[in-house]
Amino acid sequence: EDKVVQSPLSLVVHEGDTVTLNCSYEVTNFRSLLWYKQEKKAPTFLFMLTSSGIEKKSGRLSSILDKKELFSILNITATQTGDSAVYLCAGRQGAGNMLTFGGGTRLMVKP
Amino acid sequence: EAGVTQFPSHSVIEKGQTVTLRCDPISGHDNLYWYRRVMGKEIKFLLHFVKESKQDESGMPNNRFLAERTGGTYSTLKVQPAELEDSGVYFCASSQGVVYEKLFFGSGTQLSVL
Repeated sequence: EDKVVQSPLSLVVHEGDTVTLNCSYEVTNFRSLLWYKQEKKAPTFLFMLTSSGIEKKSGRLSSILDKKELFSILNITATQTGDSAVYLCAGRQGAGNMLTFGGGTRLMVKP
Repeated sequence: EAGVTQFPSHSVIEKGQTVTLRCDPISGHDNLYWYRRVMGKEIKFLLHFVKESKQDESGMPNNRFLAERTGGTYSTLKVQPAELEDSGVYFCASSQGVVYEKLFFGSGTQLSVL
């Protein structure tokens, strides 16, 4: 059965800190890995990674995929209180396009 | 551009009743997905429509759940009769393409079965 595991479960940091969120996956016929940020309701898209070793960046957020070791990390530098959210990663299966989600990492950034 | 819209945002029903959830995908998105998160668990796939056809319904838990997408636009997910274990948040998502397209999620419907 496909599985995605995120760590840590939760994290409390202060503004300005840098955080690294981890995601390991075992997904049949793996195609891509997606990161989402969920603040209150709808998960909002952050990154989609398909190739190993190529870092994707968006402002203070960056992510990279390692298809050999089957994991991805999401880095947030100079954290702000607005970064407080649950961060979800999901592995996409090639055949059916189904996403398998991890349990999420709850990040709280204190002022 | 309007995002994925779901209705209602909350629904509280009694065990044995019927509930219908609605999802309006982003205009032009042929692919529509239903996912749900039950208490304490990960978000799980339910099914995938391509236009009006069910591409993959392997995640549907049982025959009390019926999803439709007549005309290939909005979709409904009906639960009949609802059971206590059906409580959770039901998310809808849509994408334009399939393989390398990102999914856009709606805000979800919080279903509580009492």
